[in-house]
Amino acid sequence: AQSVTQLDSQVPVFEEAPVELRCNYSSSVSVYLFWYVQYPNQGLQLLLKYLSGSTLVKGINGFEAEFNKSQTSFHLRKPSVHISDTAEYFCAVRKEDSNYQLIWGAGTKLIIKP
Amino acid sequence: DADVTQTPRNRITKTGKRIMLECSQTKGHDRMYWYRQDPGLGLRLIYYSFDVKDINKGEISDGYSVSRQAQAKFSLSLESAIPNQTALYFCATSPTGAYNEQFFGPGTRLTVL
Repeated sequence: AQSVTQLDSQVPVFEEAPVELRCNYSSSVSVYLFWYVQYPNQGLQLLLKYLSGSTLVKGINGFEAEFNKSQTSFHLRKPSVHISDTAEYFCAVRKEDSNYQLIWGAGTKLIIKP
Repeated sequence: DADVTQTPRNRITKTGKRIMLECSQTKGHDRMYWYRQDPGLGLRLIYYSFDVKDINKGEISDGYSVSRQAQAKFSLSLESAIPNQTALYFCATSPTGAYNEQFFGPGTRLTVL
């Protein structure tokens, strides 16, 4: 069965430091990958998505992610984090036999230390 | 005003009670979804609807029912709430199309005692 694995449940990082949130997926066909962010007490919103084309995808708030087919990964990065980036981040992949259902990772909480 | 609204935002109820969570959207999207979020499990799809006459079960529909009263309204009911239905519930919408993003409401935190 398809799955999405977010390897870290929490990632603490100092403010202005770089961060990488890891995501690995399983899929045997073309993949469509997403990162969503959930700020405290809010719903989720789309950060970025990979559908095709360039493997480096840029999103909102200075985040980017790189699709690596050989490693089945879609890691999220930001060169310098701010306190406002404190949130939970979810990786998702389109379900193979569906054009609308997503399979979600368990989430990674980004904790910014001052 | 928020594009996707959910009421109530918080609810505490007792085992065996019937509960309805409501979702409204002003985005004009045809597709609507109900998810539940549990710590460490991500989001799981409960039900989804492509239009008023098209409602489908998701991966964890047991114990839940839905009603699509209009294009803009999609309600989730727990006929007889049980404690393991304690969770954060999200409504989401998306426009028709294969890979469009989903837009989420702020969530309803439900506690079943």
